[in-house]
Amino acid sequence: ETGVTQTPRHLVMGMTNKKSLKCEQHLGHNAMYWYKQSAKKPLELMFVYSLEERVENNSVPNRFSPECPNSSHLFLHLHTLQPEDSALYLCASSQEFAEYYGYTFGSGTRLTVV
Amino acid sequence: QKEVEQNSGPLSVPEGAIASLNCTYSDRGSQSFFWYRQYSGKSPELIMSIYSNGDKEDGRFTAQLNKASQYVSLLIRDSQPSDSATYLCAVLERADGLTFGKGTHLIIQP
Repeated sequence: ETGVTQTPRHLVMGMTNKKSLKCEQHLGHNAMYWYKQSAKKPLELMFVYSLEERVENNSVPNRFSPECPNSSHLFLHLHTLQPEDSALYLCASSQEFAEYYGYTFGSGTRLTVV
Repeated sequence: QKEVEQNSGPLSVPEGAIASLNCTYSDRGSQSFFWYRQYSGKSPELIMSIYSNGDKEDGRFTAQLNKASQYVSLLIRDSQPSDSATYLCAVLERADGLTFGKGTHLIIQP
């Protein structure tokens, strides 16, 4: 596998469920990110991990809980979500200082909350 | 609050013509600028980066940056139907990560 891999590709969950999104990068990067993409809105940065430590929260509701066990893996744990949380969730990775190379995105998880 | 502004479009361009996409940003501390292409239902794909004033060319793509005017643009020469996508402008201020615009929907008409 190469690049940034996200699983599952699609997820439908009820508001009382608990689920997790997984992201894995094979690029040797040391920073990872979660973004949310909703219709008609720009990508919203949710969480940043650099060298496995969280450095950005952006006031995300605590029903979203990130976990970064090592520099290659990133999780987003979901619980008691709301229908407005339905969106495309994108994982990205970069070298710590990404001025020159930007971020590499995974294919995303399309989440529907019912 | 940092903002990145783009015209959402759709921008319709005939095949073979030059497509011109524009972006303005609010944070003067921004250091690097990126253009991503996103096909419907797919993830963003990096196509150009620029960090110095002036032009940067890569194949059919040219990025232009004017930091004094806080303006960055992307030109696509010899537009092809496969260029039809949403183009996202992104701005990096090191401490805050990439901030994205809403994107411009580009349609290349055969």
